[in-house]
Amino acid sequence: AQSVSQHNHHVILSEAASLELGCNYSYGGTVNLFWYVQYPGQHLQLLLKYFSGDPLVKGIKGFEAEFIKSKFSFNLRKPSVQWSDTAEYFCAVRPDTGNQFYFGTGTSLTVIP
Amino acid sequence: GAVVSQHPSRVICKSGTSVKIECRSLDFQATTMFWYRQFPKQSLMLMATSNEGSKATYEQGVEKDKFLINHASLTLSTLTVTSAHPEDSSFYICSAGASRSAYEQYFGPGTRLTVT
Repeated sequence: AQSVSQHNHHVILSEAASLELGCNYSYGGTVNLFWYVQYPGQHLQLLLKYFSGDPLVKGIKGFEAEFIKSKFSFNLRKPSVQWSDTAEYFCAVRPDTGNQFYFGTGTSLTVIP
Repeated sequence: GAVVSQHPSRVICKSGTSVKIECRSLDFQATTMFWYRQFPKQSLMLMATSNEGSKATYEQGVEKDKFLINHASLTLSTLTVTSAHPEDSSFYICSAGASRSAYEQYFGPGTRLTVT
């Protein structure tokens, strides 16, 4: 069965620190990859996505992610976090065999001013 | 951007009753809609995929007779939790894809169900 792993459950950073959140998936075929963010009290919003092409994708709010096929990874990065980045971050995978999305367990990010 | 709404946002029901949750795509036609369940501080668990005009496809372990899904039109899908029990209390989220390929999903704000 497909699975998505996010290694960091809770991350606490000071403002201006750099961020990297890990995401690994287990699926041997072609996948589409996504990072979603859920701000407190709000619904899920798309941060960025990878379908094909350049494995380094840039999203909104200064976030980027790199797809490393050999490692089955799609880590999320941001060079300098802000207090407003405090949220829950979810990695999601869509295997090309269907329309279903599979989500990781999420990483809670707290940014201290 | 694409907007998905859910109604109600919160519902409290008594054990043994049924409750219906609506998911609507407001400004696009959604050929595919998805229903998720989210437990506190956990990820979204895909429950089922519904395609307009056909039966929903349920994920392994999800009781299709308990969680009835209907996708009667291109803008509306409903999830009915039948004979609800306290363990069904959860946050239910729907999402909609704008095409058969559903490369992107747009999420609703979720419905908090509490069964007493």
